[in-house]
Amino acid sequence: EPEVTQTPSHQVTQMGQEVILRCVPISNHLYFYWYRQILGQKVEFLVSFYNNEISEKSEIFDDQFSVERPDGSNFTLKIRSTKLEDSAMYFCASSALRGASYEQYFGPGTRLTVT
Amino acid sequence: DAKTTQPTSMDCAEGRAANLPCNHSTISGNEYVYWYRQIHSQGPQYIIHGLKNNETNEMASLIITEDRKSSTLILPHATLRDTAVYYCIVRRLGGSNYKLTFGKGTLLTVNP
Repeated sequence: EPEVTQTPSHQVTQMGQEVILRCVPISNHLYFYWYRQILGQKVEFLVSFYNNEISEKSEIFDDQFSVERPDGSNFTLKIRSTKLEDSAMYFCASSALRGASYEQYFGPGTRLTVT
Repeated sequence: DAKTTQPTSMDCAEGRAANLPCNHSTISGNEYVYWYRQIHSQGPQYIIHGLKNNETNEMASLIITEDRKSSTLILPHATLRDTAVYYCIVRRLGGSNYKLTFGKGTLLTVNP
């Protein structure tokens, strides 16, 4: 069964450093998403991406964040200058089509620890 | 999107049916009911969704009341691996908002 994969599984970085989280969505999917979950809190939407542009973003997704689909398979989330409060699980998701009737499939997540 | 209300936690005996309720009294006619679950810090996993008819797949059944103000997710024969947080999410059909908005969900604990 096709699945979303994410690398690395755990990333430790120092405050102020740049990090890139990588995702490989399901191959025939067209819509891509990033969510995050701070320890003990809800899963929060960050951004959705389609046709090489952001289609929606949350208030969390400020200028420190960016997303890119550098090739036909990878989807990345970059945090330019990490803060302690960026420590969280980051989940990538993809869906075949956009719309309420289409489910999103999530990857296993990357645990980001900012020290 | 309509707000949902779920119990904070529930217990179920292994092998028995787990019935997880969700209230969505402000749901509108063009909103779907979705269920996802999250097993201890893993990525959320899609379970099932429906609009107004009851739905069944290999994982679960979804029962939506006739007035659509509430629904129940049924895991027919719960196993220990079904211990997870279950999220009931209402999403609008159409428009430009396709994000999933997660609440706190219900922690289902399946006991041996």
